[in-house]
Amino acid sequence: GMPVEQNPPALSLYEGAESGLRCNFSTTMKGVQWFQQNHRGRLITLFYLAQGTKENGRLKSTFNSKERYSTLHIKDAQLEDSGTYFCAGESSGSWQLIFGSGTQLTVMP
Amino acid sequence: DAGVTQTPRHEVAEKGQTIILKCEPVSGHNDLFWYRQTKIQGLELLSYFRSKSLMEDGGAFKDRFKAEMLNSSFSTLKIQPTEPKDSAVYLCASSLALGQGAHEQYFGPGTRLTVL
Repeated sequence: GMPVEQNPPALSLYEGAESGLRCNFSTTMKGVQWFQQNHRGRLITLFYLAQGTKENGRLKSTFNSKERYSTLHIKDAQLEDSGTYFCAGESSGSWQLIFGSGTQLTVMP
Repeated sequence: DAGVTQTPRHEVAEKGQTIILKCEPVSGHNDLFWYRQTKIQGLELLSYFRSKSLMEDGGAFKDRFKAEMLNSSFSTLKIQPTEPKDSAVYLCASSLALGQGAHEQYFGPGTRLTVL
């Protein structure tokens, strides 16, 4: 299967709602990064985790290397949260990032 | 402190041309990566340098793609000759690798290449 499986592929939320994204890894990863790609195509790092949980405002991310998954939780969704979200695992065998296929998030008024 | 910079931001080329994309990593970073993003394939690694040495050259991209890093603050990606299927966004990233653990990668704004 795919080395990084990201779900859901697309997500629609109303303003103020919350939801989560998940990435499952087929192999052990040393770390994970979550990105938001804006309308100009720029990859903006949301989180970088080697383990555990991090929180930043309305966003929260967890990485469990042993269980091979990571999550990104968005609460109180805002219109500006719309965009494509990617997770990427840092492979234990090398230092490249292996990207998920992305989640297209649409926040509706 | 400047982040990763890439030039040009946009490039249009005719089929068969040679194009060179440029990247300046974050000052002091010793890892540099070139990725390509297309709608179909998503984000894929093209090349990876550690301390200017080529560590991975992305297998499938070997024949017409050549990345070089002549000094620690500048890298180029040459595509020769270009083909329409090379149309994509090319992203450069850098990180500070201090050991075997995980390292955060910082991405540039990308170069959008269109091959006609």
